[in-house]
Amino acid sequence: DAKTTQPPSMDCAEGRAANLPCNHSTISGNEYVYWYRQIHSQGPQYIIHGLKNNETNEMASLIITEDRKSSTLILPHATLRDTAVYYCIVRVAFGNEKLTFGTGTRLTIIP
Amino acid sequence: GAVVSQHPSRVICKSGTSVKIECRSLDFQATTMFWYRQFPKQSLMLMATSNEGSKATYEQGVEKDKFLINHASLTLSTLTVTSAHPEDSSFYICSARPTARGYNEQFFGPGTRLTVL
Repeated sequence: DAKTTQPPSMDCAEGRAANLPCNHSTISGNEYVYWYRQIHSQGPQYIIHGLKNNETNEMASLIITEDRKSSTLILPHATLRDTAVYYCIVRVAFGNEKLTFGTGTRLTIIP
Repeated sequence: GAVVSQHPSRVICKSGTSVKIECRSLDFQATTMFWYRQFPKQSLMLMATSNEGSKATYEQGVEKDKFLINHASLTLSTLTVTSAHPEDSSFYICSARPTARGYNEQFFGPGTRLTVL
């Protein structure tokens, strides 16, 4: 699976949009971009995933660049409960199901 | 979303004893479950892939005789830490991918914090 690079930490004001970047320059054509988050002392929570089109669900939006070498997870109206470590993971959708977690981005929402 | 539970949520044991951790998919069937370990301030590390009705596949460096995995049904996988030592103290997390078509994400349990004295 391709490697990803994320900033180690970010702050965002409560109520503002949180934009979390991820670089995955070695992504293959059949690899998806997955985002998970882990709130302190809990198991990771699935957020969203996408292949090449932008995706949106009730939690977030995922913007993938046209060359697919980077993506941005957007939390439109951040709340204090969004404080967590966010992981960007690249892998094929089926077959190799392993999730390889990097160090992620520690997002802190500031009141 | 799909729910995965773990039991116990927290366990403290003496060095040399064995500890069993259960991972259950509550509202879906999972042919494949995964076990991760997370040390303080570190990321999750995959320990093994558990397949229903067959032997688990362990990641490099994980001792299969120390971390026994049993996946006896489509909703239950267990991890037994045998002869636990203080260095085994960690946060153990399982995940499961629904067998049903259309799912390609994994759902995680809440984790089990193991402390070995």
